[in-house]
Amino acid sequence: NAGVMQNPRHLVRRRGQEARLRCSPMKGHSHVYWYRQLPEEGLKFMVYLQKENIIDESGMPKERFSAEFPKEGPSILRIQQVVRGDSAAYFCASSPSERKQHTEAFFGQGTRLTVV
Amino acid sequence: KQEVTQIPAALSVPEGENLVLNCSFTDSAIYNLQWFRQDPGKGLTSLLLIQSSQREQTSGRLNASLDKSSGRSTLYIAASQPGDSATYLCAVSQGGSEKLVFGKGMKLTVNP
Repeated sequence: NAGVMQNPRHLVRRRGQEARLRCSPMKGHSHVYWYRQLPEEGLKFMVYLQKENIIDESGMPKERFSAEFPKEGPSILRIQQVVRGDSAAYFCASSPSERKQHTEAFFGQGTRLTVV
Repeated sequence: KQEVTQIPAALSVPEGENLVLNCSFTDSAIYNLQWFRQDPGKGLTSLLLIQSSQREQTSGRLNASLDKSSGRSTLYIAASQPGDSATYLCAVSQGGSEKLVFGKGMKLTVNP
């Protein structure tokens, strides 16, 4: 059973370009979470999605950022018109159901975005 | 608003020492607490999860305890090894919210 798969592992974009980050959850998992880790900072929650639904996007910037988790295929985190401040590691986590007390979150290896 | 703190931010010890890593949180109404390990340039590996109704969890040389009322958790590492060198992250989740709130982590270096 493969773990949470994220690609690409590293992404370089020029200012103003678009960045697309992909996350395939673990087999049997239908809940996906995106977190961002800025240099010297802890991980910050961005968005929580279930298939075809955004459940909580309270941590996602209102402009330029969007996320989706279609019925088929991976979850996508999209950043339009990237700026240098978007440079960070973006992590995806998945879980099999609504989080219960015993439910662990499993994380992917992350995508490291560098904006030049 | 939940805040998670890990102090100190970094620790360097000789091999073989028993270690205690601290984590504190401001809102005691947590669902569970999870300890992770992060190696440089890598993702997060889950080490231990403690449910809010539990006091501690053990896995090999690792033992994590939870004191909800005081808003504290400790991760105990017995007989530390150079391979334990990594950043250790503490995160809590709360009922009604699916998200994890993370501390900034503690960078551990175990010297041979």
